[in-house]
Amino acid sequence: GAVVSQHPSWVICKSGTSVKIECRSLDFQATTMFWYRQFPKQSLMLMATSNEGSKATYEQGVEKDKFLINHASLTLSTLTVTSAHPEDSSFYICSARDAGLSQETQYFGPGTRLLVL
Amino acid sequence: AQKITQTQPGMFVQEKEAVTLDCTYDTSDPSYGLFWYKQPSSGEMIFLIYQGSYDQQNATEGRYSLNFQKARKSANLVISASQLGDSAMYFCAMRAPNDYKLSFGAGTTVTVRA
Repeated sequence: GAVVSQHPSWVICKSGTSVKIECRSLDFQATTMFWYRQFPKQSLMLMATSNEGSKATYEQGVEKDKFLINHASLTLSTLTVTSAHPEDSSFYICSARDAGLSQETQYFGPGTRLLVL
Repeated sequence: AQKITQTQPGMFVQEKEAVTLDCTYDTSDPSYGLFWYKQPSSGEMIFLIYQGSYDQQNATEGRYSLNFQKARKSANLVISASQLGDSAMYFCAMRAPNDYKLSFGAGTTVTVRA
């Protein structure tokens, strides 16, 4: 099946630094990728929709200047958490839609655990 | 607006028995898609099963089946012959008709006992 990778899988950083998370579709083209955030024992909350070649669409309440999203190619979307603070510590997970298959086909990456000290 | 409700925060099931996970949804759109995902402790989201709102038959994938009752707006997941590896968190999700964004329920933690 299709594979979506995320890098890094784990990151620990100091408060105030910026952290970049990559989401790659390894064997298909993804015109649309999604970024989710998940706190322990809670559900996934959609943060934004990343569209190749255009600006990301953010969900209500998500600061676009805080969470910068770039979708520069059909296989890569990046999420940058700028000036990270301890409250940004969370599990970030992306998903990608295979543009070449059924619209219901959406694959998730393995996630990135961010800890801000 | 769409809403997904999973009312069972946690469930225990004996190995080899079947378990039903409840999911109800609320939408005014006639066209939508319903998904179930499994999330083990590693965090990865594993796709289990999909049901389209216009599908006439209930979806099945191996030991997973979806009990789709459209009039009641419910899409319960049935896992038959539970295995220890089925212990995980299970999420019900719905896709809106005009985009591909998924709205997730709160999740149900399933623990399979030997």
